[in-house]
Amino acid sequence: GQNIDQPTEMTATEGAIVQINCTYQTSGFNGLFWYQQHAGEAPTFLSYNVLDGLEEKGRFSSFLSRSKGYSYLLLKELQMKDSASYLCAAMDSNYQLIWGAGTKLIIKP
Amino acid sequence: GAVVSQHPSRVICKSGTSVKIECRSLDFQATTMFWYRQFPKKSLMLMATSNEGSKATYEQGVEKDKFLINHASLTLSTLTVTSAHPEDSSFYICSARVGGEDHNEQFFGPGTRLTVL
Repeated sequence: GQNIDQPTEMTATEGAIVQINCTYQTSGFNGLFWYQQHAGEAPTFLSYNVLDGLEEKGRFSSFLSRSKGYSYLLLKELQMKDSASYLCAAMDSNYQLIWGAGTKLIIKP
Repeated sequence: GAVVSQHPSRVICKSGTSVKIECRSLDFQATTMFWYRQFPKKSLMLMATSNEGSKATYEQGVEKDKFLINHASLTLSTLTVTSAHPEDSSFYICSARVGGEDHNEQFFGPGTRLTVL
């Protein structure tokens, strides 16, 4: 079956770095997405990886290893506004997104 | 970037009534739109895939007669929740895919919060 695993909740300190891991199993693979979702709002796109390696975009970076079925989202210089849920989603061979349950990130001052 | 709008953003209705939610791609043409439902503290659940000019493809367990989807144009898809009940209360989100199947990015609407009394 298809499955996405990511931690339910993480806590980090303002100004620090946090890494949110995601493992996936899908029927075929057409890329791995990370979305940020603030409470009560729709998800917003953060990153897309389809090749192995690290993609850096400002304070956020995303890494993919296709052979391991593994990705992580790295957030640097954490700010209070980064408190949100972070959703990992893998696109399968039918170009549909398989969603993880999300990781709630709590930032403490 | 591509913008997707949803209307209304919030709706409260009485049990037994029908509610229509619109999803529009504002600056691009979307051949495929997706309708999701999100339960509190849960991930998004894909309800159906809507292709312009053809019938929607519903996910297993989603009642097609209850959740009517119409994708009449390349910029508009509608979801009608018929004979709504309190258990239908949820956050409904649409997304639109730019281009064909080989185009991977989806753009999400802001969501519609439905409360059925």
